[in-house]
Amino acid sequence: DTEVTQTPKHLVMGMTNKKSLKCEQHMGHRAMYWYKQKAKKPPELMFVYSYEKLSINESVPSRFSPECPNSSLLNLHLHALQPEDSALYLCASSPPTGTNTEAFFGQGTRLTVV
Amino acid sequence: GQQVMQIPQYQHVQEGEDFTTYCNSSTTLSNIQWYKQRPGGHPVFLIQLVKSGEVKKQKRLTFQFGEAKKNSSLHITATQTTDVGTYFCAGDNAGNMLTFGGGTRLMVKP
Repeated sequence: DTEVTQTPKHLVMGMTNKKSLKCEQHMGHRAMYWYKQKAKKPPELMFVYSYEKLSINESVPSRFSPECPNSSLLNLHLHALQPEDSALYLCASSPPTGTNTEAFFGQGTRLTVV
Repeated sequence: GQQVMQIPQYQHVQEGEDFTTYCNSSTTLSNIQWYKQRPGGHPVFLIQLVKSGEVKKQKRLTFQFGEAKKNSSLHITATQTTDVGTYFCAGDNAGNMLTFGGGTRLMVKP
């Protein structure tokens, strides 16, 4: 299984809502990532988890709250978002160290904040 | 912080023509990776280059890593309509952190 599965695929939420994005992989990867991608832009790193511990937080606002319940799951909790947070949110996983560090991306959650 | 620049931003080619995108990092990289993202899709890993001066080929795609491990290129020979998409390079500084270039959007006219 070389897939990273993200749910939901699409999400529309109001600025006062609380929602969660979910990501799952069964490749035994111990590094998992959240990226944000705006239209016609590259993915921007938000968070890195290594061995279920948050290792990198790229100065992301607190309205985004990541969680790694176990080595296969990664969540992104959303609260009080702004319309400018509308984007494609991509989850990825990779082996944390070693020669091959290729990232496997999920299909993403297309988020619209209204 | 690390910056990765990629040119050109866009490239229109006639089917059968060649295509090249160039990537330049502000710092020496541990390795460089290339990804392709189809319209409406997600980034898909193409290749990783690790050694200084490395050249790798995948069918019509040729990837190069510079001697100083700061620049890289992707060349596609005889483009096809299936090559359409945005090609990203991503620099890895061995810190579990990929920095993506801005991407080159390739459009192929049949």
